[in-house]
Amino acid sequence: QKEVEQDPGPLSVPEGAIVSLNCTYSNSAFQYFMWYRQYSRKGPELLMYTYSSGNKEDGRFTAQVDKSSKYISLFIRDSQPSDSATYLCAISSGNTPLVFGKGTRLSVIA
Amino acid sequence: NAGVTQTPKFQVLKTGQSMTLQCAQDMNHNSMYWYRQDPGMGLRLIYYSASEGTTDKGEVPNGYNVSRLNKREFSLRLESAAPSQTSVYFCASSALAGGSNEQFFGPGTRLTVL
Repeated sequence: QKEVEQDPGPLSVPEGAIVSLNCTYSNSAFQYFMWYRQYSRKGPELLMYTYSSGNKEDGRFTAQVDKSSKYISLFIRDSQPSDSATYLCAISSGNTPLVFGKGTRLSVIA
Repeated sequence: NAGVTQTPKFQVLKTGQSMTLQCAQDMNHNSMYWYRQDPGMGLRLIYYSASEGTTDKGEVPNGYNVSRLNKREFSLRLESAAPSQTSVYFCASSALAGGSNEQFFGPGTRLTVL
């Protein structure tokens, strides 16, 4: 079993929809949870960062961590065509390099 | 402030040829990383350098070598390229080593090995 599992999609939604992106992980030592966004033919950029459990909100984006289920989510409210990108989860225990999920490709259709 | 820069942007090699991918960062970061990204495989760590003078293997190091030339520069060398090394290569840097630190990525190098 890979350390981090992420459904690669692709996911296509209409503009204004709520989008839910998810990852599961296997190592209970993981404490640092990140979401990176990658536009086509660009490098990834950090979108959200969460330490340990709980929720974090930033504008239309909400990151959730459920350590008991080893499950993390990224929600996008009122999705826009400019949100079309690949979203990668990245997780670490802190002492080791980040482990990335395979990424979910999202298309928001106007 | 250019962030992380990579050269070249594109490269086509024949099987058996060698080449070096260059990476530089101007953020005074201690740690640098090389990843490859393949369709359906996500980002996989090739090598990383936690600090100047140190390098460590990542998930997929076979067929690659690295050099941390100084604090700013981290190069990736393919000694004898193989078609399986066709990929997009990303360099990244972070202030400190360890997964708690944000990584900043370069624009990538698209490599094709024929």
